[in-house]
Amino acid sequence: QVHLVESGGGVVQPGASLRLSCVASGFTFTNHGMHWVRQAPGKGLEWVAIIWYDGSSKYYVDSVKGRFTISRDNSQNTVYLQMNSLRAEDTAVYYCAKDRYSSAYYFDSWGQGTLVTVSS
Amino acid sequence: DIQMTQSPSSLSASVGDRVTITCRASQAITNYLAWYQQKPGKVPQLLIYGASTLHSGVPSRFSGSGSGTDFTLTISSLQPEDVAIYYCQKYNNAPPTFGPGTKVELK
Repeated sequence: QVHLVESGGGVVQPGASLRLSCVASGFTFTNHGMHWVRQAPGKGLEWVAIIWYDGSSKYYVDSVKGRFTISRDNSQNTVYLQMNSLRAEDTAVYYCAKDRYSSAYYFDSWGQGTLVTVSS
Repeated sequence: DIQMTQSPSSLSASVGDRVTITCRASQAITNYLAWYQQKPGKVPQLLIYGASTLHSGVPSRFSGSGSGTDFTLTISSLQPEDVAIYYCQKYNNAPPTFGPGTKVELK
């Protein structure tokens, strides 16, 4: 059974940094791309970033390019999202999501999410 | 980037009704279309991928169709547990974009 557990969310001021983590279990982590998807309060879903199964490629939504960095540690079955220069519009629940394959870009398992609030 | 739209934005239907949700892409995406269900306060769940392939464990009352730019999600007989927001998502290339969602409520 696939299990994704996010952590690292919290309340920060604009301009601050946060690092989110997602620990995966129940599947062969090294076979799958991993994503971060976010959902602002009361709003829809927005894809944020992908890292390929081997970490060789990473892609981001335009609004976070240059500020967010996705990474993974395949020895720890963990994917990270380093978020710098946070803005109020980054406030959202951040979900870790498993790619169906290595880079299919759709998501067959989701974590419970971690809330990031950016406010002064 | 390809934009996704959905209609209606919300609907109210009775138990047993047939419900249809439409998703449209601003450019052709062949069949690279997924549907997700997000129940109130819950995490999104994959329903359909490849426009028409039911994900494992999804009830057969759900079905998807379409290709190119126009897609539909159909619930053949609405059940109380189907109350949710439904999102389409294209995945032919990056960025994978979601539609704005369709809220399904019980009448």
